[in-house]
Amino acid sequence: AQSVTQLDSHVSVSEGTPVLLRCNYSSSYSPSLFWYVQHPNKGLQLLLKYTSAATLVKGINGFEAEFKKSETSFHLTKPSAHMSDAAEYFCVVIAGGTSYGKLTFGQGTILTVHP
Amino acid sequence: GAGVSQSPSNKVTEKGKDVELRCDPISGHTALYWYRQSLGQGLEFLIYFQGNSAPDKSGLPSDRFSAERTGGSVSTLTIQRTQQEDSAVYLCASSVASGGAYEQYFGPGTRLTVT
Repeated sequence: AQSVTQLDSHVSVSEGTPVLLRCNYSSSYSPSLFWYVQHPNKGLQLLLKYTSAATLVKGINGFEAEFKKSETSFHLTKPSAHMSDAAEYFCVVIAGGTSYGKLTFGQGTILTVHP
Repeated sequence: GAGVSQSPSNKVTEKGKDVELRCDPISGHTALYWYRQSLGQGLEFLIYFQGNSAPDKSGLPSDRFSAERTGGSVSTLTIQRTQQEDSAVYLCASSVASGGAYEQYFGPGTRLTVT
């Protein structure tokens, strides 16, 4: 079985400061990991994904995440927050080794960006 | 091109009534997924169709829930004898194929309110 734990339910930053959203995963197989973003009243959008290639993954809007197997972590970072980054972020896992596509979501982290 | 569409966008129903939620996936996508997003449970997997294979129904919360996918395209999620705990946003996603390598594209969701 696989699961993800997002360590913070809420993160608040000032515009222009770094963003760190933390995620730990558990998987019996080599996982595929994703970060999705959901803006208010909008659908889920894929930010980035890790599928056993490079451990540092770059996504859209300046976000990136690093897969650390030894720490079972996949934290999302951005050097400088923008107001438009305010949204809810989900860390997501699929168990690897099969063609199975079911996504398992973390509980979400709400990011607030202050001017 | 057109994304995943869902209808209706909002549905209010009385407890005990049946409801049908529709999903139109992206043309050519062989995999289709249903998820539910609720305040208490977060985002959870319901059911998954891949091509002509038998669907994975492991996430359906009770036998009041069922889904079908006709002609490998449009899918309908049916909830019989609705209960207040069924109130949630029901999300549909599709992908080119199943598995972690393939991005799932999400629709805008159907907000179901059971009164």
